[in-house]
Amino acid sequence: DTEVTQTPKHLVMGMTNKKSLKCEQHMGHRAMYWYKQKAKKPPELMFVYSYEKLSINESVPSRFSPECPNSSLLNLHLHALQPEDSALYLCASSQGEVSEFTDTQYFGPGTRLTVL
Amino acid sequence: GQQVMQIPQYQHVQEGEDFTTYCNSSTTLSNIQWYKQRPGGHPVFLIQLVKSGEVKKQKRLTFQFGEAKKNSSLHITATQTTDVGTYFCAGLGNTGKLIFGQGTTLQVKP
Repeated sequence: DTEVTQTPKHLVMGMTNKKSLKCEQHMGHRAMYWYKQKAKKPPELMFVYSYEKLSINESVPSRFSPECPNSSLLNLHLHALQPEDSALYLCASSQGEVSEFTDTQYFGPGTRLTVL
Repeated sequence: GQQVMQIPQYQHVQEGEDFTTYCNSSTTLSNIQWYKQRPGGHPVFLIQLVKSGEVKKQKRLTFQFGEAKKNSSLHITATQTTDVGTYFCAGLGNTGKLIFGQGTTLQVKP
C-alpha cells in the first residue's frame, strides 16, 4: 500500500474560521511533510516531521500549526488565514529512516483550500 | 541560496514527437528525483537518480544524471496524450532539503 490519504479534498473557510487538514499513511514511513502549492508553481515545503518530531519549519506563519499525533497521522491546524493562503496543501511521506529527503516522497491528493 | 533551474517552462508538441526537459543546479546534488503532476492532480514519483552519469529508462521515458551531478534531463520518445502534465525535477542539495525545479508543462496535440 503506497497511499497517502488527505481530508478534506476541498475546504472553503472565512478569515475568522479555525479548521484542520488531516493526512494519514500506513506505509510505516518515519518522515511526513506539509507542502503548499500555488497554481502553476512547484510544491513549497512548509514543515517536516521526523519520527513524530518537528524537524523543519520553513518560517511558516503561526496561523499554520502542524501536529503529529502518531506515526501515521499528520494534521495542519488553520486559524485566521488570509485570502493569499488559498492553495493546494499537499501531504507527503517517505521512509526517512536515515534522513528526511533521501528517499522517495509519496504525495497525497491534497486539500484545495479557498480562504474568503 | 541553492536553486534548481528547469527549462522549458512550457512545451507544446504534436503526438508522436519527442520531448525533453532539463534541470540545472547551482551546486552538486546528492540525488535528483522526478515527479509528474497531471492537471488537477498531485505529484507522482517517477524515478530517483543517485550516481554520476546515471541513465535510467522507463518504457518511453529516459532519465539522465550528469557527470558532475549538477544537471539532469527527462526525455520522452514519441509522446502520447497520456503524457500531458507538469514534470518536476527535485534535487537533494547541500542544505539537506529537496529543491524543486519550476516544472515543465507538457501539452500534446492529438
